[in-house]
Amino acid sequence: EADIYQTPRYLVIGTGKKITLECSQTMGHDKMYWYQQDPGMELHLIHYSYGVNSTEKGDLSSESTVSRIRTEHFPLTLESARPSHTSQYLCASSSFGATDTQYFGPGTRLTVL
Amino acid sequence: DQQVKQNSPSLSVQEGRISILNCDYTNSMFDYFLWYKKYPAEGPTFLISISSIKDKNEDGRFTVFLNKSAKHLSLHIVPSQPGDSAVYFCAASVDNNNDMRFGAGTRLTVKP
Repeated sequence: EADIYQTPRYLVIGTGKKITLECSQTMGHDKMYWYQQDPGMELHLIHYSYGVNSTEKGDLSSESTVSRIRTEHFPLTLESARPSHTSQYLCASSSFGATDTQYFGPGTRLTVL
Repeated sequence: DQQVKQNSPSLSVQEGRISILNCDYTNSMFDYFLWYKKYPAEGPTFLISISSIKDKNEDGRFTVFLNKSAKHLSLHIVPSQPGDSAVYFCAASVDNNNDMRFGAGTRLTVKP
């Protein structure tokens, strides 16, 4: 069973607020990812990290930023939330190896009013 | 561009029967394919995978078939159980890089 956690699970905030979505994993995985998913749509990669101090942007442009100061922690920050940021955000992690099985957290459903 | 496509947004089957979920891809460089299952209010959980060097992988009630020439893979669940009701995502990647592409998912409903 995967040990990857996301908080909060649900968040409703007003436009212009700064928010940070937390993601932590206890598996010692080097690689971590953030995906954005709208209902009925595919998951889109918005950020990923190979390890501490490594962050890269994914294929979907996002106004969010990430940091990776510790192996187990990969928070995502929106400096000024807008209604267009309303979505589900999924964090995942994987280890370096022959296969790329990613383990997902439960997700954060964000609603920006 | 959507490189992984699941053209059936939903599928309904009777308990005990076979469920077949389909997935098509356009990028011939994909060499690793996965299926994830997602329950409401939870993140996707890994179900089964297959490497491009194989055409079949089986794990209990779940079997994944890969047809490289047709760029098509399918997930067979037999026998289907009500607890299998979930959204199933197909995913593919190239050479174990970070660019894993997901389909939009198929919602499976297994009726008792």
